[in-house]
Amino acid sequence: SAVISQKPSRDICQRGTSLTIQCQVDSQVTMMFWYRQQPGQSLTLIATANQGSEATYESGFVIDKFPISRPNLTFSTLTVSNMSPEDSSIYLCSVPFSGHGYTFGSGTRLTVV
Amino acid sequence: SQQGEEDPQALSIQEGENATMNCSYKTSINNLQWYRQNSGRGLVHLILIRSNEREKHSGRLRVTLDTSKKSSSLLITASRAADTASYFCATKAPLGGSEKLVFGKGTKLTVNP
Repeated sequence: SAVISQKPSRDICQRGTSLTIQCQVDSQVTMMFWYRQQPGQSLTLIATANQGSEATYESGFVIDKFPISRPNLTFSTLTVSNMSPEDSSIYLCSVPFSGHGYTFGSGTRLTVV
Repeated sequence: SQQGEEDPQALSIQEGENATMNCSYKTSINNLQWYRQNSGRGLVHLILIRSNEREKHSGRLRVTLDTSKKSSSLLITASRAADTASYFCATKAPLGGSEKLVFGKGTKLTVNP
């Protein structure tokens, strides 16, 4: 399975600022997924990032708030823009592997104060 | 919206006992997967069961799938304190559909030494 390096692991940010989260995969993958996990909740898909095309956002998530870059097949970033305390969550990236499941990054725990 | 619903939401058992978690889903699937999450970190893939399979084993894990009832169960036998974690089921759409995973709400398992 692929190995994902996700950074930062945690951050405390002021409201109104932005944070960019990075995921680096050790192999080339076509699709990368970004999830949000609010405190005590399950994972909700934010968007699917494909290399060479615009990300596809799920209902309730917009590009202006969560811009995504996918410059190549091993790297992606998710930015959480103009943050408010409601954005305090764990953010995770994920890639599929060989039909056997999905590999996840270790997560970014974001606290907005 | 969430596809899967797990029950129980929380489960507390003694070391050595078996733990059973259930998951229900709403639409047709290609496969169903179970993941473990320790302390709000990244998810670890445990096991995948395809829609044409009824039961699968992996070490101390046993997964069943009943597509007629749209439900699955995860059994952990001879539990250990290290099994303490949150467990999530996730479904993937049939071939030709979306590649994304849709997660259930999760079961928080506590194994007491």
